[in-house]
Amino acid sequence: DSGVTQTPKHLITATGQRVTLRCSPRSGDLSVYWYQQSLDQGLQFLIQYYNGEERAKGNILERFSAQQFPDLHSELNLSSLELGDSALYFCASSAGFGLAGVETQYFGPGTRLLVL
Amino acid sequence: GEDVEQSLFLSVREGDSSVINCTYTDSSSTYLYWYKQEPGAGLQLLTYIFSNMDMKQDQRLTVLLNKKDKHLSLRIADTQTGDSAIYFCAESRDTGGFKTIFGAGTRLFVKA
Repeated sequence: DSGVTQTPKHLITATGQRVTLRCSPRSGDLSVYWYQQSLDQGLQFLIQYYNGEERAKGNILERFSAQQFPDLHSELNLSSLELGDSALYFCASSAGFGLAGVETQYFGPGTRLLVL
Repeated sequence: GEDVEQSLFLSVREGDSSVINCTYTDSSSTYLYWYKQEPGAGLQLLTYIFSNMDMKQDQRLTVLLNKKDKHLSLRIADTQTGDSAIYFCAESRDTGGFKTIFGAGTRLFVKA
């Protein structure tokens, strides 16, 4: 158990819909990272938040957005969903603002999204 | 480019050593990692190596880095059935934030 929790574990929805994925970091961790894992794209870094502010951006679509709240939990919002958005979405957390390689990222169990 | 490449499958017998290889393209990568993903679970950091190191050993795990060839390997000694998982190679660079690029993962099968 990494200490990172994600809800829901599974989500099934239809194309065009909007969903929200939730992540609670390990106690005391200030950074939250979102990743997408799909069969054709592998594991892709989406975005990082540190203490409520966006810190780094990866391959995140404009239809997707994220935020980190004062209690440090984070939400990833996926809108206008397409079939290709079906994937496993991971959240990870680290203690600080993520100087490259200095901090270990701890991954949650993931949310499996299926878009029909 | 941002590619991190790994072979997709590796099969070994229990008790043998496993060697999983990875190549990366960005010479500015500062840290390289090996993650393990068991079925239905998140990623677990196994070990990492700084780009100015050649080797790092941690119990049954040995990481070798050839910076000139941009080649990273993970050796698992005395491989056990519990080591069956997907192993991801990843590299990171400081772009003002923390950006990690992952390989596609190598699925390790351990035969009893």
